[in-house]
Amino acid sequence: GAGVSQSPSNKVTEKGKDVELRCDPISGHTALYWYRQSLGQGLEFLIYFQGNSAPDKSGLPSDRFSAERTGGSVSTLTIQRTQQEDSAVYLCAGGQGNYGYTFGSGTRLTVV
Amino acid sequence: AQSVTQLGSHVSVSEGALVLLRCNYSSSVPPYLFWYVQYPNQGLQLLLKYTTGATLVKGINGFEAEFKKSETSFHLTKPSAHMSDAAEYFCAVSDRVSSASKIIFGSGTRLSIRP
Repeated sequence: GAGVSQSPSNKVTEKGKDVELRCDPISGHTALYWYRQSLGQGLEFLIYFQGNSAPDKSGLPSDRFSAERTGGSVSTLTIQRTQQEDSAVYLCAGGQGNYGYTFGSGTRLTVV
Repeated sequence: AQSVTQLGSHVSVSEGALVLLRCNYSSSVPPYLFWYVQYPNQGLQLLLKYTTGATLVKGINGFEAEFKKSETSFHLTKPSAHMSDAAEYFCAVSDRVSSASKIIFGSGTRLSIRP
């Protein structure tokens, strides 16, 4: 596609429920990143995928968070047993090499 | 380990005045440096980047930044602010070691423009 697509754009969920956030990167981009942006905060690195290499999961805040990338394309970020502190905008970015990345518009997650 | 420090969480300037957003980085290897802009309720957009070569980098919308290795800085400037420049600006750094390294972002600077 022409850009990085994220869905849903907004998600409201009850505390304790699981949620899945989807990212469709630009075709051909080998690297895919997930970041979290909390209200008034900067961007917190979560995880990144590079080709067929093992993902760098060093930014995942707890074992309730996981992500996968199928076929080197679409990625899904899963949050289990959501907590109120998980409320944030989750941003996906794709790119090739260290030349800057294209970001999606994000998924705004609200845990009530 | 890399890190980015943006001095000033909020900067306010008058329309037509100079914009200066400060960014200092820490990196054990030669860095790639970036500035991203986030307009209200929108995603992040790459403003400019430094990889190699000329240390003065020009980006979109009249912005530019200069890589100063001796000062470990990558400050963003624009000679004359416009109302449409009001946004959140993020400085970021990544290393050159691997083919794709995670980008570390600063905490952001919110730029307001006074009429």
